[in-house]
Amino acid sequence: SQQGEEDPQALSIQEGENATMNCSYKTSINNLQWYRQNSGRGLVHLILIRSNEREKHSGRLRVTLDTSKKSSSLLITASRAADTASYFCAPGSGNTGKLIFGQGTTLQVKP
Amino acid sequence: GAVVSQHPSWVICKSGTSVKIECRSLDFQATTMFWYRQFPKQSLMLMATSNEGSKATYEQGVEKDKFLINHASLTLSTLTVTSAHPEDSSFYICSARSDRGYGYTFGSGTRLTVV
Repeated sequence: SQQGEEDPQALSIQEGENATMNCSYKTSINNLQWYRQNSGRGLVHLILIRSNEREKHSGRLRVTLDTSKKSSSLLITASRAADTASYFCAPGSGNTGKLIFGQGTTLQVKP
Repeated sequence: GAVVSQHPSWVICKSGTSVKIECRSLDFQATTMFWYRQFPKQSLMLMATSNEGSKATYEQGVEKDKFLINHASLTLSTLTVTSAHPEDSSFYICSARSDRGYGYTFGSGTRLTVV
């Protein structure tokens, strides 16, 4: 398993704006997952994109994956104050099943 | 959907005592469970992986005698922090993985404060 690196570390936007955060990884993957963590809570699974997929949507979330650049992005459209949270990516590879997390992107959406 | 229940959600204990944290998969069988700890404003650090009926695999630098993990059934894993010290104060989170396609489900975490 490998750790993803999220960028930027912190992001502050106004409600209604779009938020984009990026994830980079080092070696080939089978899939990549995005998670959200509200302060003081566990992680909530947002979306999984497989290595043979380039884009995936779920509600206001859009995830892209570029395996040639070893990077993924998470776009949250029309952000809401409730989207304020930390967001983590988790590259998946190998058979251990372990998820290793980076520092995450802390998103603040101002009302 | 898959639900993981983690208890307690918070606990305060005295130095030198032991604390047990439970992680239960409510509606699926968790063949593998993971334990993380998280310090304020930091990422989750994987502590160990536990498979039902076998010994846990600890990550490098994690004291296995201090953090006892038991995965006695397909729905329950426990983490016991033994002889707790203030530096063990942290947020502990479990995650359960099912081979039935539920992916990974996280508990809501346990805030441990050692005084």
